[in-house]
Amino acid sequence: AQTVTQSQPEMSVQEAETVTLSCTYDTSESDYYLFWYKQPPSRQMILVIRQEAYKQQNATENRFSVNFQKAAKSFSLKISDSQLGDAAMYFCAYRSAQGAQKLVFGQGTRLTINP
Amino acid sequence: DTAVSQTPKYLVTQMGNDKSIKCEQNLGHDTMYWYKQDSKKFLKIMFSYNNKELIINETVPNRFSPKSPDKAHLNLHINSLELGDSAVYFCASSLKDAGLAGGKQETQYFGPGTRLLVL
Repeated sequence: AQTVTQSQPEMSVQEAETVTLSCTYDTSESDYYLFWYKQPPSRQMILVIRQEAYKQQNATENRFSVNFQKAAKSFSLKISDSQLGDAAMYFCAYRSAQGAQKLVFGQGTRLTINP
Repeated sequence: DTAVSQTPKYLVTQMGNDKSIKCEQNLGHDTMYWYKQDSKKFLKIMFSYNNKELIINETVPNRFSPKSPDKAHLNLHINSLELGDSAVYFCASSLKDAGLAGGKQETQYFGPGTRLLVL
């Protein structure tokens, strides 16, 4: 079974600076998808970014980018120019490309932005 | 123009009661999911339906019974509620389940969640 680990329960960063959230996963599959979701205090789950495992190029979405290291099974999220609205729980998630399409989530990282 | 909606948003009830949570999506997706988020914020899949067919049942007690009347709706009925059922329940949907029909993967989009408190 696949597992996802986020080793940083909490992180904080100064506004306008850059922060990186870590995520590692364990799988024997070669084809899969990885996601970062954001959960602000409103508790809505919001997709931040996604990465297909077959793509070598790291995904980027505006101030958000990932460092996908397939061999190391690592999928970190970099947030540049942090803004107060980035404060939230961030969840890393894995989805197999085969079989049932459930998301397997990490434990989450609570990100605080200091003004 | 809400994409995935859930009702109610909050549910407070007594132990032993039966309650239902409803989910609707207007994204044209054909696969829907229920996830449970516990008090430690951990999210775990409970069920998934594709075109009204149950495809994931993740060792959930049989007090939980999902029902999908059509592709756009997935409801969750819970019998004999227990204290440990207190959690946030999220509905999600996606376009296609590759395990059944192949094709392009689609991201799962989540509803706003239903906070259930069992007293």
